[in-house]
Amino acid sequence: EVQLVESGGGLAQPGGSLRLSCAVSGFTFGSYWMHWVRQAPGKGLVWVSRIDLDGSSTTYADSVKGRFTISRDNAKNTLYLQMNSLRVEDTAFYYCAREARLALDYWGQGTLVTVSS
Amino acid sequence: DIQLTQSPSSLSASVGDRVTITCRASQSISTYINWYQQKPGKAPKLLIYSASSLQSGVPSRFSGSGSGTDFTLTIRSLQFEDFASYYCQQTYSASRTFGPGTRVDIK
Repeated sequence: EVQLVESGGGLAQPGGSLRLSCAVSGFTFGSYWMHWVRQAPGKGLVWVSRIDLDGSSTTYADSVKGRFTISRDNAKNTLYLQMNSLRVEDTAFYYCAREARLALDYWGQGTLVTVSS
Repeated sequence: DIQLTQSPSSLSASVGDRVTITCRASQSISTYINWYQQKPGKAPKLLIYSASSLQSGVPSRFSGSGSGTDFTLTIRSLQFEDFASYYCQQTYSASRTFGPGTRVDIK
């Protein structure tokens, strides 16, 4: 069974940092591109970032470029999102998702990040 | 970046109705569009990929069509479990943007 489990969310102050993790199981992690998608409470989905098979290629939404870093450890079957210089507007549920056939076919349950003083 | 718009932003419908949601891209994206369903408090679920391919396990009452800039998601006969929000997503560019969503409520 394919599973993606996010962790690392919580409360952070503006300007602070958090590191999210997404532990996966049930599939060969190193064979899939992976993504982070976020959703502010009551709002729509916003694509954040994606990483290729070995981490050599990454892409970011303009809103997080230069502040967030996506990475992966294929030996540990884990995806990461390092979030620095956090802003109040980064408050959201953060989902990790697997890409197959250019679509996000499996998603985690999400982890909530709250940025507030 | 490629922008996506969806219409309507919300709609009210009854069980058994045929529902059509439209997604428009700011430039031609061939058939690089996906559709997702999301229920409150849950992660999104993939319904349609590559504009018209039905994801495994998704009921056949869901269908997608379109190419270029205009796309549609159709629910042939709305069921109670279909009341949710629906999002399109483009995968033509490296930045995989989503549309703003369409909420389908019970009339």
